[in-house]
Amino acid sequence: EVQLVESGGGLVQPGRSMKLSCAASGFTFSDYYMAWVRQAPKKGLEWVASISYEGSSTYYGDSVKGRFTISRDNAKSTLYLQMNSLRSEDTATYYCARDNYVMDAWGQGASVTVSS
Amino acid sequence: DIQMTQSPASLSASLEEIVTITCKASQGIDDYLSWYQQKPGKSPQLLIYDATSLADGVPSRFSGSRSGTQFSLKISRPQVDDSGIYYCLQSCSTPNTFGAGTKLELK
Repeated sequence: EVQLVESGGGLVQPGRSMKLSCAASGFTFSDYYMAWVRQAPKKGLEWVASISYEGSSTYYGDSVKGRFTISRDNAKSTLYLQMNSLRSEDTATYYCARDNYVMDAWGQGASVTVSS
Repeated sequence: DIQMTQSPASLSASLEEIVTITCKASQGIDDYLSWYQQKPGKSPQLLIYDATSLADGVPSRFSGSRSGTQFSLKISRPQVDDSGIYYCLQSCSTPNTFGAGTKLELK
């Protein structure tokens, strides 16, 4: 069974940093692109970033480019999202997803609240 | 960036109806279009991929179609459990973009 489990969310002050993790199991992690998708409270889905199989290529949405970094550790089957210079508008539930040109598996989400 | 215009924003349907939700892409995206269902407090679930292919385990009352840059999700004789918010996603080019969502209520 494919499982994606996010961790690392919580409350953080504006301008500070936070790192999310996503532990994958049930599939060969290195065979898939991976992605982060977020959802602000009561809002729709927003693609944040994707990363290639070995991590050599990364792609970002305009709203996070230059502030967020997606990375992966295939030996640990873990995906990461380093979020710097956080803003109130980054408040959202962050989902880890398997990116197979479709998001065919999703985690349960990690809640990030940016507030002073 | 490719814009996905999804409609309607919400709809209420009976269990006897055929429900149709559409997404129009601002430019050609071939068949790189997928549909997701999200229930309150839950993560999205894949329904349709490659515009018309049914994801594993998804009931056959769900179907997808394409006409040029317009894509449709159809639910034939929906069930009460089909209530939720539906999103389309284009993955033809980055940034990947979602439609704004359609809230479906079954009555």
